[in-house]
Amino acid sequence: DTAVSQTPKYLVTQMGNDKSIKCEQNLGHDTMYWYKQDSKKFLKIMFSYNNKELIINETVPNRFSPKSPDKAHLNLHINSLELGDSAVYFCASSQLARTDTQYFGPGTRLTVL
Amino acid sequence: AQSVSQHNHHVILSEAASLELGCNYSYGGTVNLFWYVQYPGQHLQLLLKYFSGDPLVKGIKGFEAEFIKSKFSFNLRKPSVQWSDTAEYFCAVNARGSQGNLIFGKGTKLSVKP
Repeated sequence: DTAVSQTPKYLVTQMGNDKSIKCEQNLGHDTMYWYKQDSKKFLKIMFSYNNKELIINETVPNRFSPKSPDKAHLNLHINSLELGDSAVYFCASSQLARTDTQYFGPGTRLTVL
Repeated sequence: AQSVSQHNHHVILSEAASLELGCNYSYGGTVNLFWYVQYPGQHLQLLLKYFSGDPLVKGIKGFEAEFIKSKFSFNLRKPSVQWSDTAEYFCAVNARGSQGNLIFGKGTKLSVKP
């Protein structure tokens, strides 16, 4: 029944490792997003995909690469993890790219040691 | 560039007190406005939204917000808070014609004392 799901919920890893976070939505939405929430709870968009195509790519290091195998999935792969990558990453989806409400997943808390 | 300001970083209230959380945005064009809530350890949930029409919108759990275009504001209100309203509240703006880029305020933490 979960509308937007993410795995894993918690991710603890060492600096320099490569990791992936998966996101799936079963709402039939066309657009998916990744947000980063820092330690001060500030939320900032990272990427947006519409029908498997990238439409927003905010200033994010190249180490972050989103991958959308189909419109129900948007995975986030992170290379060479750094301490500053520690945050909560939220996936979201919406029916339309422009005006529709975004529905959020439960978040993945990434801790880089 | 668009931005969203939430003036209160942390609000502490007793149960049954009235709540008003401020939100102002900077953008000259037409916007869609949202309030999301994040309960401790949980994901963001939509409280209410304004796209057009009546500027006073009602959301879930007794919350409402009023869009005042001349003040670029979208303040959240609740007449009587409960302990279960303890959470982080985020105001967000999406500019019409944009590509869905939702700009969030920095959030207001609400603590309700029983």
